[in-house]
This record gives sequence, structure tokens and C-alpha cells, in this order.
Amino acid sequence: DAKTTQPNSMESNEEEPVHLPCNHSTISGTDYIHWYRQLPSQGPEYVIHGLTSNVNNRMASLAIAEDRKSSTLILHRATLRDAAVYYCILSFRGSSNTGKLIFGQGTTLQVKP
Amino acid sequence: DAGVIQSPRHEVTEMGQEVTLRCKPISGHNSLFWYRQTMMRGLELLIYFNNNVPIDDSGMPEDRFSAKMPNASFSTLKIQPSEPRDSAVYFCASTGWGEKLFFGSGTQLSVL
Repeated sequence: DAKTTQPNSMESNEEEPVHLPCNHSTISGTDYIHWYRQLPSQGPEYVIHGLTSNVNNRMASLAIAEDRKSSTLILHRATLRDAAVYYCILSFRGSSNTGKLIFGQGTTLQVKP
Repeated sequence: DAGVIQSPRHEVTEMGQEVTLRCKPISGHNSLFWYRQTMMRGLELLIYFNNNVPIDDSGMPEDRFSAKMPNASFSTLKIQPSEPRDSAVYFCASTGWGEKLFFGSGTQLSVL
């Protein structure tokens, strides 16, 4: 499985945008980029995913570099509830790997009031 | 939908005892995953099933661990005998089309 590199931790101020980077220089053409987050004492939850084009949903935006070797998760307006560990994961979408996700260490986001 | 349901939420047992963790995936989902989370090793994929068939169990730490999925609505992860180093949070997750994983709330296992 191709690997991702994320900063261990980041800080943000409440109500400001947050840009969480992820490097994945060994990504293959069939790898999707997924983002999950884990709030304290909870299981991980899906945030967003994409393949080549930028993606937006109600939670966040995903900006994917043109060469796909990096991506950025954008939280447009951080709230205290967004304090969590954010995981950037690559997933091969072959038939024998349906949904299989290998989690790294992630980025711990701290949001200050 | 109730989401992925795991039981028990907390389990405290003594070394050497058998432990069984249970998971009910979201109805209609055809893939189920068992993960383990510790501070030292983070989230580790233990095993996953597709249409009730184990596809990849390479993450199962040793023979003391076994997992079954007798039908589409139920799975178990068993540890026999349990050891203190098995203490962790165990998560079950399911997906229907491989797009999003839905995780349960986890089982906090403490082996004394």
C-alpha cells in the first residue's frame, strides 16, 4: 500500500480556515485519497475522498495537486468540535480490496478558542 | 439506521480468559473490518470480510485471535487466551460500496 506523510500536529484558531497537508509521492493511478477524522473517545468518521479533481462536501474540501503527489484537507471555518486526529489514507479500489484502509498516525488538530 | 453496533462497550478480564467481541454491521453492507487501536501502534487492520468470507487476515497478531462472520449481520472477534498486551480499543467497521467506512463506537478491552 502506498504511504502518506502528515505533520504530527497542527494548531488553529476557532472560526479560521485550516489547511491540513498530506504527501503521497508514491500514489498510483488507481489510488483514491481518503480523509477520516477521529474525535476523542470515538471511532473514526469519514470526512471526504477524491481521485483527481477537487471535492467539496458539507464537512470540508479536498484539494488534490495536479500530479496527485499531495493533497490538502480544508476546513473552511474551524470550530472547537473539529479538534480531532485527521487521517489521510490511500485506498486501492480493486475488487479484492473493497474499502480496505490502512491508517497512519494522522495529524492531531488543536483548535483554540 | 443505528449504525455499526459493537458490544460490549467495555470489557475487563483476567489474563488467560477467553474474550469475545461482537459486531453488527449496517444492514446491506457487504464488507466488514476489525481494527485495533493502541497508543503505541495506532489503528491496525486485523482482518476484513467481504460477503461473509475472510479476505485478508494478515493483520491478526497471532493464533490466539480468531474472527468469524456466520452471516451478513453478525461478526465476532475472539481472543483465547487473552494477555495484558491485548489491551486496546477494538473497532468494527462496515462498508457497502467501498467508498466510506462506518465505524462502531469500539470496545475498550482491559486484560489484567
